[in-house]
Amino acid sequence: DADVTQTPRNRITKTGKRIMLECSQTKGHDRMYWYRQDPGLGLQLIYYSFDVKDINKGEISDGYSVSRQAQAKFSLSLESAIPNQTALYFCATSAGALDAGELFFGEGSRLTVL
Amino acid sequence: GQNIDQPTEMTATEGAIVQINCTYQTSGFNGLFWYQQHAGEAPTFLSYNVLDGLEEKGRFSSFLSRSKGYSYLLLKELQMKDSASYLCSVMDSNYQLIWGAGTKLIIKP
Repeated sequence: DADVTQTPRNRITKTGKRIMLECSQTKGHDRMYWYRQDPGLGLQLIYYSFDVKDINKGEISDGYSVSRQAQAKFSLSLESAIPNQTALYFCATSAGALDAGELFFGEGSRLTVL
Repeated sequence: GQNIDQPTEMTATEGAIVQINCTYQTSGFNGLFWYQQHAGEAPTFLSYNVLDGLEEKGRFSSFLSRSKGYSYLLLKELQMKDSASYLCSVMDSNYQLIWGAGTKLIIKP
């Protein structure tokens, strides 16, 4: 089983619908991240969390929200999906500050908004 | 603004050597990272440089020059399975990772 698991792996939805992407990890890491990847662009950070009570906005947080339900779970929500949120979304984890650049990624969730 | 540049695509021959360059302009520097991403899969960590010089790990090596804002990833004895995108990432002064768009490496027999 993967150390970082994302569900769903693929989702097609319509404009205006609420969508939740879920992430769970068995690595025991405190730090969790949500990224989106678009063709021709670098990974863009949406939100990150350094522990259960810590939530931080990334560079493109508008239109997204997150919830850190437990150390092992970090979910991403699109309250009202729009077509330009069509992208590949990755959840990632990292260990402490000294290892913050070594990320462990989930398999990705491909979201299509029609 | 912060920027990381790397070539969009490169082609190389099986068994050969290829060098993928990365230049960066960031607010501060706390390390440079290379990741490999096969098509349709998640990125996986390859290497980390924080001091100038060459770090070797098997067939892969990564070089850093902080004064020039420059790094390269060197892949030796190329294999077909090395066909992938290679992502360069820099950790800035706020300990945030800034990502390049990636270099798609195509290996030909």
